[in-house]
Amino acid sequence: DIQMTQSPSTLSASVGDRVTITCRASQSIGGWLAWYQQLPGKAPKLLIYKASSLETEVPSRFSGSGSGTEFTLTISSLQPDDFATYYCQQYYSFSTFGQGTKLEIK
Amino acid sequence: QLQLQESGSGLVRPSQTLSLSCAVSGASLSSGFYSWSWIRQPPGKALECIGYIHHSGTTNYKSSLKTRVTMSVDRSKNQFSLSLSFVTAADTAVYYCASRTADGNFDFWGQGTLVTVSS
Repeated sequence: DIQMTQSPSTLSASVGDRVTITCRASQSIGGWLAWYQQLPGKAPKLLIYKASSLETEVPSRFSGSGSGTEFTLTISSLQPDDFATYYCQQYYSFSTFGQGTKLEIK
Repeated sequence: QLQLQESGSGLVRPSQTLSLSCAVSGASLSSGFYSWSWIRQPPGKALECIGYIHHSGTTNYKSSLKTRVTMSVDRSKNQFSLSLSFVTAADTAVYYCASRTADGNFDFWGQGTLVTVSS
C-alpha cells in the first residue's frame, strides 16, 4: 500500500497568515493527489484534485502544487473558516489518506 | 447536485456483521461517471477508504479488509450498501459514503454515521 505522510501534524497560525502543508508519498503517484478540509463533526470537503486543480466554488486562496512524491497545499491568507483539519489523499493506487494536519488559531 | 445519506445500525456486537446503506439522490447509480464508496474514520483518527463499487458491479476493497467486506448496489432504490463481518472494537468509527469520480477523488459525501462495536 502507498503510505501518505503529512507535515506538520499541527500548525498554529493567525488570520491573514500564509500557510503551507506538505504531503509525501511513499512512492511516485504522478499527480493523482487530492486535498480535503474537515471541520469538526462534519464530512470532509474536496478542495483540490489532480494536485493543483481547484474544485468548483473553493476560494482561490487555496492552491496546490507538486508531483511524484511531494505535494503542498497553500492557503494564501487565512480566514476564520479555514481553521480545520486537512487531509491529502492519493488515488494512483486504490486510495489512501494522510494522517491529517490540524490548523489551529495561534 | 448529488446528495448521499447513510443509514443503518449504530451499535453492533463484536463478531457480528455491520450493515449500512447509502441513499443517493441527484444521480443514478447506473451512471458511468461515478463509482460509489465507503470511507471510515475512527474517533480522533484519520480517514480510511474501505472500498468502492463501480456501476458495473465491479468492486475494489482495501486489501486488509477484503476478507470481511461486501459492497452491493440496489438500482431499484438507487442506493448502495456495505457489509463488514466479524467486527471488533477496532471497527468503531464514523462511516461515510461518498461518490468517487472517474479520476478517483471523492467529491460528494454523506454526513456520516457513527457505528460503535460493543457488547
